[in-house]
Amino acid sequence: GENVEQHPSTLSVQEGDSAVIKCTYSDSASNYFPWYKQELGKGPQLIIDIRSNVGEKKDQRIAVTLNKTAKHFSLHITETQPEDSAVYFCAAGDNNNDMRFGAGTRLTVKP
Amino acid sequence: NAGVTQTPKFQVLKTGQSMTLQCAQDMNHNSMYWYRQDPGMGLRLIYYSASEGTTDKGEVPNGYNVSRLNKREFSLRLESAAPSQTSVYFCASVWDTAFFGQGTRLTVV
Repeated sequence: GENVEQHPSTLSVQEGDSAVIKCTYSDSASNYFPWYKQELGKGPQLIIDIRSNVGEKKDQRIAVTLNKTAKHFSLHITETQPEDSAVYFCAAGDNNNDMRFGAGTRLTVKP
Repeated sequence: NAGVTQTPKFQVLKTGQSMTLQCAQDMNHNSMYWYRQDPGMGLRLIYYSASEGTTDKGEVPNGYNVSRLNKREFSLRLESAAPSQTSVYFCASVWDTAFFGQGTRLTVV
C-alpha cells in the first residue's frame, strides 16, 4: 500500500519568513495530493490540493509543488503569520478514495 | 449544513468496557472513514466504507468494528477497550478529498 513520509516533524520560523514542508510517496497510482491544517482541538481542514497532471498550484500565501517523477510534493507558506501556527498534514490519494497521511508537521510562527 | 458530526467529544473508559463512537455526514458522500491520531504517527486508517452496505479494514483494524448504518452514518465500536486504544478518533466523509469531524478524545484507563 501507499506510504507517505513527511518532513520535518517540527518547524519554527520567525513571522514574515517562509516555511516549507516536504512529503514523499511510494505508490505510482497516487494522483491526488491534498494538504490539511489542524488547529488545536479541531479536525484537519483542507487548505490546498494538487493533482498529478499539475506541477504547481498557488492560493495567496500558500503554494504546493509536485514532482511526479521523484514522487515528492511540498507545501510552501510565504510571509508567515502567527495564525499559521498549526499541525500540517500531507496526504496521497488514488482513484479509489484510498488516502494515506503523513505523520504531520508542527509549525510554530514566532511573532 | 453541519458537514461531519462526531459524538461524543470526550470519553473515559475503563479497560474492558465497550462503547460506540458515532459519526454522521450531511454531504451525501458515499465514502466514510475512521482514523485514529496518535502523537508522531499522523492519521492512521482503522476502517472505511466505500458505500452504504460495505466496510473494509484499514491499516489498524484490530480491536474495532464498524457499522455503516445508512448513507449518513458510520459508527465505530470498541468491544473491549484497552489502554492502547487511547487516542483521538476522527471520522471523515470523502468525495475526492476528506472532510473531517471535530474528533473524539478517548482515554482508556
